[in-house]
Amino acid sequence: AQSVAQPEDQVNVAEGNPLTVKCTYSVSGNPYLFWYVQYPNRGLQFLLKYITGDNLVKGSYGFEAEFNKSQTSFHLKKPSALVSDSALYFCAVRDDDGGFKTIFGAGTRLFVKA
Amino acid sequence: EPEVTQTPSHQVTQMGQEVILRCVPISNHLYFYWYRQILGQKVEFLVSFYNNEISEKSEIFDDQFSVERPDGSNFTLKIRSTKLEDSAMYFCASSVRIANTGELFFGEGSRLTVL
Repeated sequence: AQSVAQPEDQVNVAEGNPLTVKCTYSVSGNPYLFWYVQYPNRGLQFLLKYITGDNLVKGSYGFEAEFNKSQTSFHLKKPSALVSDSALYFCAVRDDDGGFKTIFGAGTRLFVKA
Repeated sequence: EPEVTQTPSHQVTQMGQEVILRCVPISNHLYFYWYRQILGQKVEFLVSFYNNEISEKSEIFDDQFSVERPDGSNFTLKIRSTKLEDSAMYFCASSVRIANTGELFFGEGSRLTVL
């Protein structure tokens, strides 16, 4: 069974500084990995995904994530944070066994201070 | 841009009552899902649906829950006899035909309050 861990409930960063939101995963096969963002009272929005290929994937709003198979991690990064990046971020995983289920982490709340 | 739409946005019901939450997925998507989120926290998988049948379901999705796609456009979640602990935000999602690698597109959610 697949699982996702987001070890930080909250990440605080100053505007203009780089940000990292951590994620580790566990699957029986190869992982398909995703990041989603949720703004208050809204649905989840897709940011980026890793399926195969280049370990560094780029997504929406200047975000990127690095897949590290040996560390089973998929950390979300952005070189320069904006106040508008403040939101709830979810890492998610799906096993490559042909199943349909995407499992989400508990979420990390990002606060960007001006 | 195509989007997933959900109705109602908020429903208040009495314990023991039946509730139906409705979703219109993106038109060319073939895979449909329901998730729930309690108190703005963890997003929990309930069920996936493909080719007019359930493909996977979680332990949360017990006999009180059912899904159907009655008319080729709507995708509904029914809770037969609501409990207090069913109070949550319910999200519908859909994905394109390559389901295993496709990202999910979520609706804005239906908030269910059980009194």
